[in-house]
Amino acid sequence: DAGVIQSPRHEVTEMGQEVTLRCKPISGHDYLFWYRQTMMRGLELLIYFNNNVPIDDSGMPEDRFSAKMPNASFSTLKIQPSEPRDSAVYFCASSLTGLGIDTQYFGPGTRLTVL
Amino acid sequence: SQKIEQNSEALNIQEGKTATLTCNYTNYSPAYLQWYRQDPGRGPVFLLLIRENEKEKRKERLKVTFDTTLKQSLFHITASQPADSATYLCALPYNNNDMRFGAGTRLTVKP
Repeated sequence: DAGVIQSPRHEVTEMGQEVTLRCKPISGHDYLFWYRQTMMRGLELLIYFNNNVPIDDSGMPEDRFSAKMPNASFSTLKIQPSEPRDSAVYFCASSLTGLGIDTQYFGPGTRLTVL
Repeated sequence: SQKIEQNSEALNIQEGKTATLTCNYTNYSPAYLQWYRQDPGRGPVFLLLIRENEKEKRKERLKVTFDTTLKQSLFHITASQPADSATYLCALPYNNNDMRFGAGTRLTVKP
């Protein structure tokens, strides 16, 4: 298995532009998680899905952020409009059952820089 | 509010020594705790899970302890090697499906 796949690996954009990050979870995993990592705040959970349905989006910082999972093999995290403070590494992770006791498998991340 | 603290941002040790990393938590009563390793430019990778009724768990050169009275987990790497250099994160369940991560400790093992 290729593991969790994220694209792009790096994204540089200007303030005000729309940014779309993509994730393909491991096949057969029912849960998908989006995290953001910064030096200041560490690794923060933004939102997670179970069987393509958003379960908890309380970590999404504001309305500029939205996430979708149209099918079991694809999810997007969109920021519109982007701001410099959104600069971070965004990780997607998936797990088989979603129970915290189950291992989460992380993708390589997308490093976002908003100028 | 719930808090997870890892003892230090960075830890430098000599090859062959034992590295000990600390994870303290407050306002939690976790049934288990996880440790992850993160290399630069990569996502975290799961290493070990320890349950509240397990005092200690081992995996090769890794050993994790879990003291629910002290609200602390210790992560040990024995006979450390330069390849062990990475950031190590502890994670606790916030609810069944939500893990919260500590800020991490960056370990450097010098040859």
